[in-house]
Amino acid sequence: DAKTTQPPSMDCAEGRAANLPCNHSTISGNEYVYWYRQIHSQGPQYIIHGLKNNETNEMASLIITEDRKSSTLILPHATLRDTAVYYCIVREDRDDKIIFGKGTRLHILP
Amino acid sequence: DAGVIQSPRHEVTEMGQEVTLRCKPISGHNSLFWYRQTMMRGLELLIYFNNNVPIDDSGMPEDRFSAKMPNASFSTLKIQPSEPRDSAVYFCASSLGGEGSYEQYFGPGTRLTVT
Repeated sequence: DAKTTQPPSMDCAEGRAANLPCNHSTISGNEYVYWYRQIHSQGPQYIIHGLKNNETNEMASLIITEDRKSSTLILPHATLRDTAVYYCIVREDRDDKIIFGKGTRLHILP
Repeated sequence: DAGVIQSPRHEVTEMGQEVTLRCKPISGHNSLFWYRQTMMRGLELLIYFNNNVPIDDSGMPEDRFSAKMPNASFSTLKIQPSEPRDSAVYFCASSLGGEGSYEQYFGPGTRLTVT
């Protein structure tokens, strides 16, 4: 079973920052937080991951709370192409498996 | 690199027929994964291989499903006999595998319809 809880859907206006929350209250010390997204009719795509520090790459930023029980994925300037299902996943570094939950369906509104 | 390659992209077959889905992982990747996606059940991990050896097949639904990886550049997922409830999109993914391997690369998927 997925170890994360996400809202089923969210809306965001184009050009604004999209903030996607994730709850992972049972995360253990050696588990990382990963984010993937799946654009319609495509395979999932890796976005970012982190352990306890905030992370940023060319796609997004990941903010992890100090107690690591929740995190937020930030898309700084959402575009229509960011419309997708976003999956928050917890996973040990040595574990190859990814267990996907239901994710959050993000709608970017023009 | 061409990424993960899957074939066929679409498959329509009749109930009872054998179906074989194919996957070519990214060169140099040591882990390969098969997933199934339906509206009802979402994205499910069926089986994964590391260095061509099946590591976890607990997601394989029943004996009608089998997967092989005869070499590092090829894997198959076979359904025999197929049933309408097998209709889904089947994704193959690959990764470097092991610690520090944080990204799985997914193929475009095979949309299977069993009538």
